[in-house]
Amino acid sequence: EPEVTQTPSHQVTQMGQEVILRCVPISNHLYFYWYRQILGQKVEFLVSFYNNEISEKSEIFDDQFSVERPDGSNFTLKIRSTKLEDSAMYFCASRTSWTDTQYFGPGTRLTVL
Amino acid sequence: SQQGEEDPQALSIQEGENATMNCSYKTSINNLQWYRQNSGRGLVHLILIRSNEREKHSGRLRVTLDTSKKSSSLLITASRAADTASYFCATDAGTSGSRLTFGEGTQLTVNP
Repeated sequence: EPEVTQTPSHQVTQMGQEVILRCVPISNHLYFYWYRQILGQKVEFLVSFYNNEISEKSEIFDDQFSVERPDGSNFTLKIRSTKLEDSAMYFCASRTSWTDTQYFGPGTRLTVL
Repeated sequence: SQQGEEDPQALSIQEGENATMNCSYKTSINNLQWYRQNSGRGLVHLILIRSNEREKHSGRLRVTLDTSKKSSSLLITASRAADTASYFCATDAGTSGSRLTFGEGTQLTVNP
């Protein structure tokens, strides 16, 4: 069964550094998402992406964040200058249409020191 | 407004018993989805119920949706120790980006 994959599984970085989190959505999916979950808290929406542009973004998704679909398979989340409070599990998700199930990847645990 | 508030926050039962978790939300929705998360791991999709549906079944899972009360419930029958996990409801309001809004989750512990 097709799955959403994410790399790396764990990323440790110094405050102020740039990180890129990578996702490979399910191949026939058209809608892509990033969410995050701070330890012990609920999952929060960051951004949705369709037709090569951002559809919606939350207030968390400020100028430090960007997303890109550089080729036909990858979907990336970049954080330009990481802060301590960016430490969280980041989940990528994808779906075929805007009314269907969102399938989540296993997550990347980002630790900012 | 906060969507997807689950109760109870924690539930501990014995293997073989049924577990019921509830979710309430505040705004109108397109669909509601339930996910399971094992400790520190990814989100596994369990079931999606659309706003025009009242009940859905999948194996040992039964989900109900009452749009007039803005609430949903997840029933796991004949629970197993492997069902131990956090369970989240997530609402899709059908906005342009179709974001999911998650609740705080219910931590279910099934004791062998």
